[in-house]
This record gives sequence, C-alpha cells and structure tokens, in this order.
Amino acid sequence: EPEVTQTPSHQVTQMGQEVILRCVPISNHLYFYWYRQILGQKVEFLVSFYNNEISEKSEIFDDQFSVERPDGSNFTLKIRSTKLEDSAMYFCASSGSRAETQYFGPGTRLLVL
Amino acid sequence: ELKVEQNPLFLSMQEGKNYTIYCNYSTTSDRLYWYRQDPGKSLESLFVLLSNGAVKQEGRLMASLDTKARLSTLHITAAVHDLSATYFCAVDRTSGSRLTFGEGTQLTVNP
Repeated sequence: EPEVTQTPSHQVTQMGQEVILRCVPISNHLYFYWYRQILGQKVEFLVSFYNNEISEKSEIFDDQFSVERPDGSNFTLKIRSTKLEDSAMYFCASSGSRAETQYFGPGTRLLVL
Repeated sequence: ELKVEQNPLFLSMQEGKNYTIYCNYSTTSDRLYWYRQDPGKSLESLFVLLSNGAVKQEGRLMASLDTKARLSTLHITAAVHDLSATYFCAVDRTSGSRLTFGEGTQLTVNP
C-alpha cells in the first residue's frame, strides 16, 4: 500500500542552525501539508502546498519557515534558524484531491538544543 | 477561528466495557475525521464523516456525525487492550484545507 515517507526520523540540531526535513508524498497525490506536534500536545497545521505554491499557512509558519518541491517526488520543510521551541514531531501529509483524506507520514522528531 | 474540543482527554477503561468519546467543533465544516495515534507513531486515518447523520463502523469502533449539533462521537464497544492509543478528531472548514485537531483522547484499556 502506498505511503508517505519522511527523512530523517530523528534530528538533533543546535539553536540557530538550519534544518531541512524531507518528505516523499504518495506518488499520485497533488496536495501536500506539514503539521507539527509538540510533545504531549495536539497536532497543529503549518502549511499546505498545491500546484507549486503555498495554498494556506498558519501563524506558526513565519519567515523562518519555507517549503519547496524541488523535484517530482520530494517535498521539503526548511527552518532557517531553529529555536528551542521548534522542538517537535513534524508530520508531512498528502492527499490525492481536495475531497480525499490526508495521509500522514511517520514523522521527523526534531530536537533543538 | 475554528475550535475543536474533545472529551474526555483521558480515559481508562476495563476490557469488555463500552464507552464514547465526544468531539465538538465551533463552526460549519465540510468533513470530520478520526485518527488514531500510537505512542511515538504517526496518525492513522480511521474514519471520514461527510454528512449529517453519517455513521461508520470498523471492528469495535463506530463513529457518527451530527452537523446540526456540531458533534461527532466515537463509540468503543467491548474494548480490548489493542485499542489503547490516543484518538484525535479533526475538522476541515472546506475540502482540502487545513485540518484543525482536537486535543486528543488518551485511551487506556486495562485487562
């Protein structure tokens, strides 16, 4: 069964460093999303992406964040200068159409020291 | 702002018992989702409810939606230990838009 994959599974970084989280959505999907979940809290929306541009973003998704689809398969989330409060599990999701459910990847656990 | 509230947030139950998790949301929405999350794992889609009165069942779980009351329920029948997980409901205001999640209900089923 097709699934969303994410790399790395864990990342530890120093405050102020740049990180890139990678996602490979399900192959025929067109809508892509990033969410995050701070430990013990609910899942929060960051950004959605369709047709090579951002469709919607939350107040969390400030200038330190960016997304890119550099090729036909990868979807990346970049945090330019990480802060301690960026420590969280980051989930990528994709869907085939606006009417379909969003399928989530396994997540990348980011720890900022 | 769309708000989604679940209750209870923590639920400890005995195997074989029945219980219901409630999910309220604040504004009109296209669809309501239920996801399951095991500790340290991703979110597994359980149900998508599309219309008023929708009811879906899978095994010991049954989900329903009342759009007029802006309420969804996840009913657990004859719980077993394998159902122990955190259950999230989520709502999107329009199809394909962001999902707004509830706080999650941490379910523990005791033998």
